[in-house]
Order: sequence, then C-alpha cells, then structure tokens
Amino acid sequence: AQSVTQPDIHITVSEGASLELRCNYSYGATPYLFWYVQSPGQGLQLLLKYFSGDTLVQGIKGFEAEFKRSQSSFNLRKPSVHWSDAAEYFCAVGARNNNDMRFGAGTRLTVKP
Amino acid sequence: DTEVTQTPKHLVMGMTNKKSLKCEQHMGHRAMYWYKQKAKKPPELMFVYSYEKLSINESVPSRFSPECPNSSLLNLHLHALQPEDSALYLCASSQDLSGRINEQYFGPGTRLTVT
Repeated sequence: AQSVTQPDIHITVSEGASLELRCNYSYGATPYLFWYVQSPGQGLQLLLKYFSGDTLVQGIKGFEAEFKRSQSSFNLRKPSVHWSDAAEYFCAVGARNNNDMRFGAGTRLTVKP
Repeated sequence: DTEVTQTPKHLVMGMTNKKSLKCEQHMGHRAMYWYKQKAKKPPELMFVYSYEKLSINESVPSRFSPECPNSSLLNLHLHALQPEDSALYLCASSQDLSGRINEQYFGPGTRLTVT
C-alpha cells in the first residue's frame, strides 16, 4: 500500500520569505500526488496535483510542487509567503488502480509578521 | 458548482443516541468518501463508495454505518458511539474514472462530540 512521510511537523517562516514543505512517498509505481491545505476547523482544499507529464506543477495561491521520481519526493514551494498561508498542509498519495488515498501527518505552517 | 455540503456542522450526542451525518454534492461525482480526523492528525479514510456501492471499508467499527442512497448523497449513521469517536468527520467526492484515483473535493466537516 502507498504511504507518505512529511518530515517537518511544524515550520515557521517570516512573511515574504520563501517556503518549501517536504513530502516523500512510498509506492511501487508512479503515484498520483496531491497537496491539500486545511485552515483550523475547516475542510481540505486542493492546492495542486500530479498525475503525469511535466514534473513541475503549478497550483492555486501561488504554490508549485516538483515531482522527483529519483528521490520519491513531491515538495511544495512558494516564493513569497503571505500571512494568510498559515495553515496545516497535507501531502497525499493515491494508488492508480483504486480510490484509496493516504495522507501524510501534515506540516503546520506559522507565518511571522 | 464545486461544493460538497455537510450537515450538521456540529453534533453533540450521548453514547446511547442514534444520529446521522449527511453529505451532498452536485458535481456529478460517482465516488464519495468518509474520513475521520482527530485534532492535529491527518484525515483517516473510513469508507469509499464507487457508483453507490461500498468499495472500501477500512475495518471501521459497526457502530458506524455508511449509506449511499443515490449518486449525490452520502450518509453516516451513528449508534452507540464512544467518547473516543469524537472528531471532525469529513466527506469528500471525486470523479470515478474506472476506479482510478482523482482529486477529491472536501466538505467543511461535521464536528462530533460524544458525551
């Protein structure tokens, strides 16, 4: 079965600084990969996804992620963080032959003024 | 319309009560999901319905009973819950492309407290 590791439980960045959130996956084939964001007490919003093709994917809110097969990684990046980006970020991996999707433990992002 | 709605937003129930959580989507999605999320944890998959048929049941206790009456509605019936079942229950839906995964759209969740 597929699995996801997000090594950083909590990250603090200053507003305007760049951001990179790490995600490593385990799956026997090319996975389907997702990044979701969750504000406190809310549902999850899809930021971006990778299914195939260009390994650099663009998402909403200025986020991008790069799929690196050799490193089994799908890191999320943003060049300049805004205070409104403070939230919990989840990386998720889906199998290609069923509807099963597994989430990483999440990374909580704090943005300093 | 890319919205998944869930009712109620909050629910407090005793351990002997019977209640139901409801989820609705009108995006034409044929896969629907229930997740359980404890505080500061990721969502945990409970059930998946594909074309109104239960396709994944993650060994969830029988006190949780899912139902998919039609392609737009998903219910979760609750009976004899335990305090440790208190959590945020999230519903999601996605296109079902011959059983292949696709991006899921989440509702805002129901905050359940079992007393």
